[in-house]
Amino acid sequence: GENVEQHPSTLSVQEGDSAVIKCTYSDSASNYFPWYKQELGKRPQLIIDIRSNVGEKKDQRIAVTLNKTAKHFSLHITETQPEDSAVYFCATSFGNEKLTFGTGTRLTIIP
Amino acid sequence: SQTIHQWPATLVQPVGSPLSLECTVEGTSNPNLYWYRQAAGRGLQLLFYSIGIDQISSEVPQNLSASRPQDRQFILSSKKLLLSDSGFYLCAWSPRTEYGYTFGSGTRLTVV
Repeated sequence: GENVEQHPSTLSVQEGDSAVIKCTYSDSASNYFPWYKQELGKRPQLIIDIRSNVGEKKDQRIAVTLNKTAKHFSLHITETQPEDSAVYFCATSFGNEKLTFGTGTRLTIIP
Repeated sequence: SQTIHQWPATLVQPVGSPLSLECTVEGTSNPNLYWYRQAAGRGLQLLFYSIGIDQISSEVPQNLSASRPQDRQFILSSKKLLLSDSGFYLCAWSPRTEYGYTFGSGTRLTVV
């Protein structure tokens, strides 16, 4: 089955700096790549996603890039703010069935 | 619009007791349904998923089971809880023909 590796497991950045989280996957058939943000004690919530026919997608301070040849995709957060502190999960799927999640990155924004 | 309901929000159960967690989805039909477990500070482990009423797949063999008595209802059960069953249980749904995966608010289970 699909295997998703996520790095780093923890990340601390100064407020205002950028944060980058990277995921690699094993199944070349994967075609959907979402990112979820989970605040402490809450449910994971979708923040951005990308499909395999697109190389990059942006939504304000958040962007995701996809390299299908190398089988990796990354989350970029610019101008980080304290409310960006959370655990971030990447995921992959083929079609709209079950997602395989990465192990998560705990992002801490230092004021 | 679609909504997902999951209950209870918290549960404390003794070892060896039964378990029943319920999840329902409103505003859609024939959804894909999922149960995940998250241990404290850990990732999301897929337990069961269902693409139809009579189609439930188990990802991890253990003392849990799942049922889908109605199209938009998904139930997670156990006959006898273990200490290792403690965790944050999340139900999720996705549309049959579109992308998108929405989680319920979760049940925090503590087995004592």
